[in-house]
Amino acid sequence: KQEVTQIPAALSVPEGENLVLNCSFTDSAIYNLQWFRQDPGKGLTSLLLIQSSQREQTSGRLNASLDKSSGRSTLYIAASQPGDSATYLCAVSSGSARQLTFGSGTQLTVLP
Amino acid sequence: KAGVTQTPRYLIKTRGQQVTLSCSPISGHRSVSWYQQTPGQGLQFLFEYFSETQRNKGNFPGRFSGRQFSNSRSEMNVSTLELGDSALYLCASSTGTYQETQYFGPGTRLLVL
Repeated sequence: KQEVTQIPAALSVPEGENLVLNCSFTDSAIYNLQWFRQDPGKGLTSLLLIQSSQREQTSGRLNASLDKSSGRSTLYIAASQPGDSATYLCAVSSGSARQLTFGSGTQLTVLP
Repeated sequence: KAGVTQTPRYLIKTRGQQVTLSCSPISGHRSVSWYQQTPGQGLQFLFEYFSETQRNKGNFPGRFSGRQFSNSRSEMNVSTLELGDSALYLCASSTGTYQETQYFGPGTRLLVL
């Protein structure tokens, strides 16, 4: 059974700092990994999708890496802004059902 | 392109009642998946529909059911509501190929009293 863990559970940083969020998964036989952002009481916004054959994806100030063999992914956020404050979730697609298995998220607060 | 829409956005029900939630996917998307989000269990997969057929199912009791219509709109039904069914219910749409992004709606928040 696939399990996804995100560390840390919460993170508070001053504006302008670069930061890294971590995600690990137990079964390396994944199809892809997706990073999402969730604002309080809202739905999920897709940030980046990394296919299993890829090592990283970039979008603006965001860069996500994938090391399938070690079961790890990182989301790097450059020059953080207060508007980046949200919960960040990673999810992997794996197994015969190819459903998304989510981590519990990292709650990020960027202080002005 | 319009995003994924879910109705209603908020619902209050009492134990024992049933409820139906609706999800309209992005135009052209044929796959709709449903997830339950609670503070204790996080996000859990309920089921996926593709071209009006249930393609995958998570580990939830039979009280949770769904269907998909020919226009790809999907409904989720929960019968005999329990207090523990209080949650944010999210649907996600995609074209149905497994290599792509899933797009989530804003969710329906259900409170069971």
